[in-house]
Amino acid sequence: QSVLTQPPSVSEAPGQRVTISCSGSSSNIGNNAVNWYQQLPGKAPKLLIYYDDLLPSGVSDRFSGSKSGTSASLAISGLQSEDEADYYCAAWDDSLIGPVFGGGTKLTVL
Amino acid sequence: QVQLVESGGGVVQPGRSLRLSCSASGFTFSSHAMHWVRQAPGKGLEWMGLISYDGSERYYADSVKGRFTMSRDNSKNTLYLQMNSLRAEDTAVYFCAGSAGMQAGCEYWGQGTLVTVSS
Repeated sequence: QSVLTQPPSVSEAPGQRVTISCSGSSSNIGNNAVNWYQQLPGKAPKLLIYYDDLLPSGVSDRFSGSKSGTSASLAISGLQSEDEADYYCAAWDDSLIGPVFGGGTKLTVL
Repeated sequence: QVQLVESGGGVVQPGRSLRLSCSASGFTFSSHAMHWVRQAPGKGLEWMGLISYDGSERYYADSVKGRFTMSRDNSKNTLYLQMNSLRAEDTAVYFCAGSAGMQAGCEYWGQGTLVTVSS
């Protein structure tokens, strides 16, 4: 089991909005920044959101991140077929002394 | 442009060793912490280890502590992962990744190199 908990899959129609949750604890999300990664099929991960809600240069503003307590969320609006990918949350864990990943969420655009 | 290129993967027998390299270009390698992250076939991402920008700090996941060692040569812009006592469960694609700080997100990623541990 992963230290951070994500739903295994989500799906939504094109043009709609979807959210992916990430649940942790006080030693990780509750005390440290959350980062989100997108991994397209057969590709390396790509940083999508950092420090909870910041977008790296070049990332579409259809993506947004938020955090409350020991949980975080990634929202994707105006879904497009190209958004089909696996999404991972990650956060530093003070107890494990290293970053921990969620198990990943597979997004299907119907 | 930024490039991270891993090399050294392949097929290795259980109990043997393998050394991966990650060659960096297009960014200030010596100012970035570097990570190894692996992904077993059909599975999620698993963080393996982290080395600070100057090599003075190293942290490892429990699953590889005592078996894997990270090092870096900033004069060659290269990161290394020495993997000893390999097990079947170490079979994965190994990615190197760079972050501006040890707790920051990994903004740079390599394409990965496949390590298969099998007799």
